Amino acid sequence: GAVVSQHPSRVICKSGTSVKIECRSLDFQATTMFWYRQFPKQSLMLMATSNEGSKATYEQGVEKDKFLINHASLTLSTLTVTSAHPEDSSFYICSAGRDLPRYNEQFFGPGTRLTVL
Amino acid sequence: AQSVAQPEDQVNVAEGNPLTVKCTYSVSGNPYLFWYVQYPNRGLQFLLKYITGDNLVKGSYGFEAEFNKSQTSFHLKKPSALVSDSALYFCALTGGFKTIFGAGTRLFVKA
Repeated sequence: GAVVSQHPSRVICKSGTSVKIECRSLDFQATTMFWYRQFPKQSLMLMATSNEGSKATYEQGVEKDKFLINHASLTLSTLTVTSAHPEDSSFYICSAGRDLPRYNEQFFGPGTRLTVL
Repeated sequence: AQSVAQPEDQVNVAEGNPLTVKCTYSVSGNPYLFWYVQYPNRGLQFLLKYITGDNLVKGSYGFEAEFNKSQTSFHLKKPSALVSDSALYFCALTGGFKTIFGAGTRLFVKA
């Protein structure tokens, strides 16, 4: 149990276009989902926390107008990178929490590799 | 302030030898600690967690970790390394609602 999927696994797009990444909890309801960004050989950087039915909470330095997050249901959250530029190229990972206990156990998706040309 | 440190960028070990990947933490209150492994172009896979109870935590794939409160450490260990253990390992700490990840340690196991 506790499987999280991401789609697509890889995407290549032209500069200026928008890209949507989906994160789904397949066998549980995720009240909270997290979006991370990972640069090569670096750790995960939390971008935002989304709660079902409410606006996402963005970390300092993350542009909310550029990285649009929607958590419309208990099993789906989407991250849209708007007007993508080459510097947005990265590995994006989502995670989902199931009625998060105090210790905040999360289940991670396999990641999406975004390349902006 | 909460923090997690993985002091080694890389650990090299020969197959069959024991391995240790180090992690230290700083948090006010009770620490909730996790180890994850990441293979190239993949998401994080959960290895083990310490919430409370026994200081020695056993996890997936033969890994274990020892929680040491006095040294504020949570080192990952395995008695006998496999080449397939070569990957990137992250220690993570949850205090409150957010999870903080260490910088990661790359483990190379040579045949």
